[in-house]
Amino acid sequence: EIVLTQSPATLSLSPGERATLSCRASQSVSSFLAWYQQKPGQAPRLLIYDASNRATGIPARFSGSGSGTDFTLTISSLEPEDFAVYYCQQRRSWPPLTFGGGTKVEIK
Amino acid sequence: QLQLQESGPGVVKPSETLSLTCTVSGGSISSSSSTWAWIRQPPGKGLEWIGSISYSGSTYYNPSLKSRITISVDTSKNQFSLKLSSVTAADTALYYCASPYCSSGRCYWEWFDPWGQGTLVTVSS
Repeated sequence: EIVLTQSPATLSLSPGERATLSCRASQSVSSFLAWYQQKPGQAPRLLIYDASNRATGIPARFSGSGSGTDFTLTISSLEPEDFAVYYCQQRRSWPPLTFGGGTKVEIK
Repeated sequence: QLQLQESGPGVVKPSETLSLTCTVSGGSISSSSSTWAWIRQPPGKGLEWIGSISYSGSTYYNPSLKSRITISVDTSKNQFSLKLSSVTAADTALYYCASPYCSSGRCYWEWFDPWGQGTLVTVSS
């Protein structure tokens, strides 16, 4: 099973700042990694798939990069609605499909 | 616009079987390449993939749960279902059903979007 480790657990930033979230895989997942956003009381929403492709309707301030074992989600300038929990997920090796433990982006 | 809605009991007794149904609207569950998923989230914790089923009935299960789960599909009702047997308190979670993500005519069954709103299942006597 591929384990995904996200860091930091919590990121405290102000609106307008740049957010950089990390996801590290226990073995190579090539580019088969996605990012989801989950707001309180809501289901997750797909942001990025295959490491760097924005899902339909996702704003350009969200970008993904990386391959192999190290991946980054960048939010170029935080909007108030971006404060949420973010999860990474891999599809390189399954079963099982696995998720990271999440990074909470909170208002500083 | 595709929408998913979970339904089922909110409380299940220990050792009994949890049964949930996901109803898909705004699209056909029988669309080619469509494989549908169940994912759960214990309160305050992260996400766990439970398993997936194709429109034709092929199943893919999480090995950690495989001995206890059955996922089925009913194309006539545009629904798919989850059964989890011998539940314990560790199975208390928000259970989501999810659609494959489709873009530019291609569907990726391993990426999930949209999701249902989720249904909380508590295992308690």
